[in-house]
Amino acid sequence: GQQVMQIPQYQHVQEGEDFTTYCNSSTTLSNIQWYKQRPGGHPVFLIQLVKSGEVKKQKRLTFQFGEAKKNSSLHITATQTTDVGTYFCAGGNTPLVFGKGTRLSVIA
Amino acid sequence: DGGITQSPKYLFRKEGQNVTLSCEQNLNHDAMYWYRQDPGQGLRLIYYSQIVNDFQKGDIAEGYSVSREKKESFPLTVTSAQKNPTAFYLCASTLQGTYNQPQHFGDGTRLSIL
Repeated sequence: GQQVMQIPQYQHVQEGEDFTTYCNSSTTLSNIQWYKQRPGGHPVFLIQLVKSGEVKKQKRLTFQFGEAKKNSSLHITATQTTDVGTYFCAGGNTPLVFGKGTRLSVIA
Repeated sequence: DGGITQSPKYLFRKEGQNVTLSCEQNLNHDAMYWYRQDPGQGLRLIYYSQIVNDFQKGDIAEGYSVSREKKESFPLTVTSAQKNPTAFYLCASTLQGTYNQPQHFGDGTRLSIL
């Protein structure tokens, strides 16, 4: 079946540093979704990208969808302690295929 | 407020016992999903239902069963055939069962073996 690979698995940063997580698929994706799960919580939808080469921003978060629609990235500028959690990408097929997530720790 | 309610929050299972996890939504969503989450494994799909009285197996359906008799409800039974049931179980729903719908999640049920 389709797989969505996500790297890195863990990332520890000092508060104020930038953070990036990458998502790759072996097949073309119709869309990509990103979710955030706080420790002890449930995943919460952040954004969806649909178009080839699409870039969307939410405050300090920048989301990109590759030209070939096989990869995506989430970049956080100047991390804060509130950014702590696990970030998941999910490939847009029915049913949705989730990556294993990147766990972000922010050291104050 | 509309949302997804999962119960119980914590559940303990004895060997040889079947247990049922509840998932109810009042979002009027057509599609519902069950995921299993283990540390470092992300979210793995157990079963999903795009419409009432119909459901499909996900990647790890063995040892689990579901029903979808009402639009609002999608209970998951963890049977005794599931030999390693300890995990965090998440229920989700989407407005429609198509690929471009954001998933709304419940708070989850943590299942452990006694």
